[in-house]
Amino acid sequence: AQTVTQSQPEMSVQEAETVTLSCTYDTSENNYYLFWYKQPPSRQMILVIRQEAYKQQNATENRFSVNFQKAAKSFSLKISDSQLGDTAMYFCAFGSMGQGNLIFGKGTKLSVKP
Amino acid sequence: NAGVTQTPKFRILKIGQSMTLQCAQDMNHNYMYWYRQDPGMGLKLIYYSVGAGITDKGEVPNGYNVSRSTTEDFPLRLELAAPSQTSVYFCASSYSPGLAGVVDTQYFGPGTRLTVL
Repeated sequence: AQTVTQSQPEMSVQEAETVTLSCTYDTSENNYYLFWYKQPPSRQMILVIRQEAYKQQNATENRFSVNFQKAAKSFSLKISDSQLGDTAMYFCAFGSMGQGNLIFGKGTKLSVKP
Repeated sequence: NAGVTQTPKFRILKIGQSMTLQCAQDMNHNYMYWYRQDPGMGLKLIYYSVGAGITDKGEVPNGYNVSRSTTEDFPLRLELAAPSQTSVYFCASSYSPGLAGVVDTQYFGPGTRLTVL
């Protein structure tokens, strides 16, 4: 069974600085997808970024980028130029080919301080 | 598009009561999911559906039932509510689960906060 581990329950960063959130996962599959979701205080789950395991190039979405290390089963999220609106819970999730659901980590609570 | 909608937003139940959480999507997605999120935890899958008339259990199905009579709607039924069912419930949908070689992004509703006293 796949598992997703987020080892940082809470993190904080100063506005405009860069922060990296860690995620590791365990799977025996070769093809899969990885996601980062953001959950602000409103509780809405919002997709931040996704990565296909067969792609070597790291995904980027504006200020958000990932460092995907397939051999190490690591999938970290880097947020550049942090903004107050980035304050939220961040969940790493694993998606298996042919399996509908996502496996979520326990989340990292990120606080951006002015 | 409204995306994924859920009603109600909040609900308090007494032990032993029953209720239905409603979920609808207008994106013509074939897959729909119900997750629960307990405090300090990630989301866990309760049930999912691959299309109208087809449902299957997830990781934590006990105490719940689902039905899928249309592509758009996927209600979750709680029978004989228990305090252990106090949680935030999320409905999600996606176009493809990965059978075609792609794991599509799941789009989430705003959640229902349920308290059982």
